[in-house]
Amino acid sequence: DVKVTQSSRYLVKRTGEKVFLECVQDMDHENMFWYRQDPGLGLRLIYFSYDVKMKEKGDIPEGYSVSREKKERFSLILESASTNQTSMYLCASSFPSEGNQPQHFGDGTRLSIL
Amino acid sequence: EDQVTQSPEALRLQEGESSSLNCSYTVSGLRGLFWYRQDPGKGPEFLFTLYSAGEEKEKERLKATLTKKESFLHITAPKPEDSATYLCAVQARGYQKVTFGTGTKLQVIP
Repeated sequence: DVKVTQSSRYLVKRTGEKVFLECVQDMDHENMFWYRQDPGLGLRLIYFSYDVKMKEKGDIPEGYSVSREKKERFSLILESASTNQTSMYLCASSFPSEGNQPQHFGDGTRLSIL
Repeated sequence: EDQVTQSPEALRLQEGESSSLNCSYTVSGLRGLFWYRQDPGKGPEFLFTLYSAGEEKEKERLKATLTKKESFLHITAPKPEDSATYLCAVQARGYQKVTFGTGTKLQVIP
């Protein structure tokens, strides 16, 4: 079974802090994704990575950056946290889409910015 | 721009009362349509991938179908443990990213 592990289930941070969310997958997937999920808005893609050190912006990249130094690990960074970044953050991974492979998700990090 | 619209937003069924969830989509060349189940406080769990119109997939009480404009998730004789939010997503050919709908929250009452 695919295992996608997010480092924290719940996190509380202060406005202006630099926040790191970590994600690790154990299936040797090339692709990794960061989403945020908000009521009524669904899942929105922040960034994704299709290889080590490669990244592409998703639909809402503003205020975020990412890092992928190793194939199994993908980090989301909130450069200067703001209250409108309070949300559920979900990490996912998959093989390249040429094989019609679905994304597999972690259980999320519920982040509150005070 | 790819779009996914799910209806209804919420659905309440009695145990054993069959029904269908709808996913309407627009995409520039469909590579795949995905259905996921999400329980409260957890990440989405993959259910099915559909690739072309006319295709059907089944798993226990769930059956997913696909046309050129929409997909249905049919739930036959649901049980309370089927209560969850069901998400639909599409992927266009040539792209790695996937576009999600906002989901249908299903509640099955004993």
